[in-house]
Amino acid sequence: EVQLVESGGGLVQPGGSLRLSCAASGFSFSNYWMHWVRQAPGKGLVWVSRINSDGKTITYADSVRGRFTISRDNAKNTLHLQMNSLGGDDTAVYYCARAQGMGVAAYDIWGQGTMVTVS
Amino acid sequence: EIVMTQSPATLSVSPGEGASLSCRASQSVYTNLAWYQQKPGQAPRLLVYSASTRATGIPARFSGSGSGTEFSLTISSLQSEDFGVYYCQQYNDRPITFGQGTRLEIK
Repeated sequence: EVQLVESGGGLVQPGGSLRLSCAASGFSFSNYWMHWVRQAPGKGLVWVSRINSDGKTITYADSVRGRFTISRDNAKNTLHLQMNSLGGDDTAVYYCARAQGMGVAAYDIWGQGTMVTVS
Repeated sequence: EIVMTQSPATLSVSPGEGASLSCRASQSVYTNLAWYQQKPGQAPRLLVYSASTRATGIPARFSGSGSGTEFSLTISSLQSEDFGVYYCQQYNDRPITFGQGTRLEIK
């Protein structure tokens, strides 16, 4: 079964850090661009970051650039999001998502999400 | 950044009836547009990509259309499981942006 499973969310104080992980299974993880998308409580979907298949091309949303770091370990089929200097606006469910194609594309597989609460 | 605007905000439809959801882009995204369904407590699910191609396993009652700046998602013969929030997403340009969502309620 093609699957993404996030972990690492939780309650953190303002200014703190968290590292999210996304474990992939059932497909060739190293062939796909991967993205992080977040959703604040009761709000819509917001793109956060993306990384290409070999980890050498990375892009961030303006709101997280300089604070968040996306990375991947293709040997372990895992995507990460290191989040530093967290603030209340970062409170959200964080989803990892597989992009159908290169660069920007629709997301055909999503994880179940992991909740990050900054308070 | 490309702004995606969805209408209406809320749509209430009886089972068996059809529903049409709209999405407008602030500039052309060609056909680089997707639709997602999200139910409470769940991740979004891809319904349509490339504006009109149904994703794997999506019933034929879901159909997407449009190009450029105007798009629509039509659900024919609504089923009770079709309730939820529907989002459009453009992936023509960075950053990827989503509409604010249309809440589809079952009467």
